[in-house]
Amino acid sequence: GIQVEQSPPDLILQEGANSTLRCNFSDSVNNLQWFHQNPWGQLINLFYIPSGTKQNGRLSATTVATERYSLLYISSSQTTDSGVYFCAAIPSKETSGSRLTFGEGTQLTVNP
Amino acid sequence: ETGVTQSPTHLIKTRGQQVTLRCSSQSGHNTVSWYQQALGQGPQFIFQYYREEENGRGNFPPRFSGLQFPNYSSELNVNALELDDSALYLCASSWGLTGNSPLHFGNGTRLTVT
Repeated sequence: GIQVEQSPPDLILQEGANSTLRCNFSDSVNNLQWFHQNPWGQLINLFYIPSGTKQNGRLSATTVATERYSLLYISSSQTTDSGVYFCAAIPSKETSGSRLTFGEGTQLTVNP
Repeated sequence: ETGVTQSPTHLIKTRGQQVTLRCSSQSGHNTVSWYQQALGQGPQFIFQYYREEENGRGNFPPRFSGLQFPNYSSELNVNALELDDSALYLCASSWGLTGNSPLHFGNGTRLTVT
């Protein structure tokens, strides 16, 4: 199956700093999503981005499908950004259209 | 637009018992999938349902089973509970089977097996 690798595994920032999270995937994809899981376990959709660039406030994401990687940018980080960020993908050849394969996540801690 | 809702939020069961978790899909979505998230790990795909039939399954034993109803809501049933079944169970809904639409997740049910 598809391999999804995220880096770095852990990231500690001061409030106001910028960061870039990376996701590498091993196959062509129909679906690539970024999620934020807060300390209460809620898995929040950030971006659906199998290719291209999107922005939503202080967050933006870019997926270069031909090179099989995606980047999540967080600017002017806030303490509420803390939590685990997951990248997840569905390969193009997958017949189960909602079988997301998740990476191991990046644990982000933003200190005041 | 109504999001994905799951019930109950927390549940404690004893080894060997059976449990049923429930999920209402987001309006306009016809596909439901279930994921298990053990502590410190990413969610793992259990199975998905489309048109009331199982359509794709991950590496989970048959004691994990499910249903999808005509209104697209769904249940996850786990029989003969084991201690390792303790996890956060997440339901997601989406449109169709092609994988070209985003999945939206509920807030999960945290199951503890003692």
